[in-house]
Amino acid sequence: KAGVTQTPRYLIKTRGQQVTLSCSPISGHRSVSWYQQTPGQGLQFLFEYFSETQRNKGNFPGRFSGRQFSNSRSEMNVSTLELGDSALYLCASSLDNTEAFFGQGTRLTVV
Amino acid sequence: ILNVEQSPQSLHVQEGDSTNFTCSFPSSNFYALHWYRWETAKSPEALFVMTLNGDEKKKGRISATLNTKEGYSYLYIKGSQPEDSATYLCALDSGGGADGLTFGKGTHLIIQP
Repeated sequence: KAGVTQTPRYLIKTRGQQVTLSCSPISGHRSVSWYQQTPGQGLQFLFEYFSETQRNKGNFPGRFSGRQFSNSRSEMNVSTLELGDSALYLCASSLDNTEAFFGQGTRLTVV
Repeated sequence: ILNVEQSPQSLHVQEGDSTNFTCSFPSSNFYALHWYRWETAKSPEALFVMTLNGDEKKKGRISATLNTKEGYSYLYIKGSQPEDSATYLCALDSGGGADGLTFGKGTHLIIQP
């Protein structure tokens, strides 16, 4: 059974640009959550999608957005990138309200 | 904002020794507690999901206990091996998954041969 796949694994962008990250969940999982990890911080919850609907959103500015497609794949978009957006972005998939399975993450560097 | 604390922040343990670390969380916001092991360059790997006060779970040499009334969970590793070296994360689920997981900053465990 394939795990959670995130693409790309590494990305370098310039301040002011926008970026889209992709997450393919485990087959059958309808919930996809996104997390950000910056140096010295724990994983911070960004948002969760379930059946193409955003169920909840963490405390992040509106520059961070996401969506989920009918096949449960999810994308996360960050517009007007800032240096502080440099982080590891992880997505996790789960059957509803159960154990979450994480991808390996996308390492975003903003220069 | 929920506060999940893990201690110690890092730990060096001799191979063969047993060890344990703590996760503290606000007991008033409890739905479930998750433990993850995160090895460098890999994905966080789920160890346990615990929901009931007094829960004890075990996977091989690793076990965990839960006290929801006082808001803490312990993770124990018996007979540490070099492959146990990783960061151990706990995460509070306060809303049945719909509010996301609130993670602690982790305990970084290094097993010395």
